[in-house]
Amino acid sequence: AQTVTQSQPEMSVQEAETVTLSCTYDTSENNYYLFWYKQPPSRQMILVIRQEAYKQQNATENRFSVNFQKAAKSFSLKISDSQLGDTAMYFCAFDSTNAGKSTFGDGTTLTVKP
Amino acid sequence: DSGVTQTPKHLITATGQRVTLRCSPRSGDLSVYWYQQSLDQGLQFLIQYYNGEERAKGNILERFSAQQFPDLHSELNLSSLELGDSALYFCASRLGAGHGYDEQFFGPGTRLTVL
Repeated sequence: AQTVTQSQPEMSVQEAETVTLSCTYDTSENNYYLFWYKQPPSRQMILVIRQEAYKQQNATENRFSVNFQKAAKSFSLKISDSQLGDTAMYFCAFDSTNAGKSTFGDGTTLTVKP
Repeated sequence: DSGVTQTPKHLITATGQRVTLRCSPRSGDLSVYWYQQSLDQGLQFLIQYYNGEERAKGNILERFSAQQFPDLHSELNLSSLELGDSALYFCASRLGAGHGYDEQFFGPGTRLTVL
């Protein structure tokens, strides 16, 4: 069974600075999909960024980028130029290509301070 | 707005009761997922349906059941409710069965409180 570990329950960063959220996972599969979702205080889950395991190039979406290390089974999220609106809980998620289930980490609560 | 609707938004009930949560996926999406999120916890995958058929099962209690109807909406039934069932229940939909790159679109959730 797949597991996803987010080792930082809480983090904070000053506005305009850069922060990195860590995520590690465990799987025996070779191809899979990884996602970061954001859950602001409104509780709405929103996709931030995604990565396909067989693509070596790290995904980037504006101020959000990932550092995908397949051998180390690591998928960290970097947020550059942090904004107050980035304050949220961030979830790392693993999607198997073999089974339908999605596995989410326990989340990291990020607070951006003015 | 993700295009996924969930009703009701809030539900307050007593222990031992039974409730039904409803989810309508985005137009064109064939998969529906159900998740449970207890207070400030991560998302626990419960079950997935694809085009009317159960596709994957997670840590879903025997007291819980779900189905997806021909019009693709889904219902999650929770019975013999316990205090620990109080949580936010999310529904998510996606276009495919889960093999691809498509994201899950989440509904706003149903807040269940069991007293």
